[in-house]
Amino acid sequence: AQSVAQPEDQVNVAEGNPLTVKCTYSVSGNPYLFWYVQYPNRGLQFLLKYITGDNLVKGSYGFEAEFNKSQTSFHLKKPSALVSDSALYFCAVRDWDHGSGNTGKLIFGQGTTLQVKP
Amino acid sequence: DSGVTQTPKHLITATGQRVTLRCSPRSGDLSVYWYQQSLDQGLQFLIQYYNGEERAKGNILERFSAQQFPDLHSELNLSSLELGDSALYFCASSLGGYNEQFFGPGTRLTVL
Repeated sequence: AQSVAQPEDQVNVAEGNPLTVKCTYSVSGNPYLFWYVQYPNRGLQFLLKYITGDNLVKGSYGFEAEFNKSQTSFHLKKPSALVSDSALYFCAVRDWDHGSGNTGKLIFGQGTTLQVKP
Repeated sequence: DSGVTQTPKHLITATGQRVTLRCSPRSGDLSVYWYQQSLDQGLQFLIQYYNGEERAKGNILERFSAQQFPDLHSELNLSSLELGDSALYFCASSLGGYNEQFFGPGTRLTVL
């Protein structure tokens, strides 16, 4: 079964420092990977996705993610954190059905709270 | 603003009752997804519709049902509500099953 793991419940970083939010996955077939961010009392906002191609994916608000097939990881990164980046971050993988292949269903990790301190 | 709208924003009801949550997808999106977010279960996929037809089903309870109408809006019906159904319910939409999903602001359901 497909799964996603975010090993850290919380990541703390000082403003201006680089940040990394970790994600590992387990899938059958090719992984379709996503990062979303959730601010308090808001819906999830799409940040970026990996379908195929370059292992370094650039997304919204200066975020990027590195796909590593051998380590089955898709870590979210940003060179310089902002206080406004403080939020809940979710990694997700598209589900794979052995009958029909990729479905639309997203399987989410448990989320990582990013705290950026001034 | 994702372009996905959900109503109502908040819903407070009693156990045993039935409620309907409504979602309007982004203009042009054919797929609608429903997710439940709770503290103990995290974000869980419930069901997907594509252009009016059910496309994928998650661990959706039999007390829950959904449909997508010809104008592509969707409704999630929750019946015989239990305390444990209290959660945030999100609707998302995408152009197709292979595209990123855009989420609405959610409906917070409280069952007392």
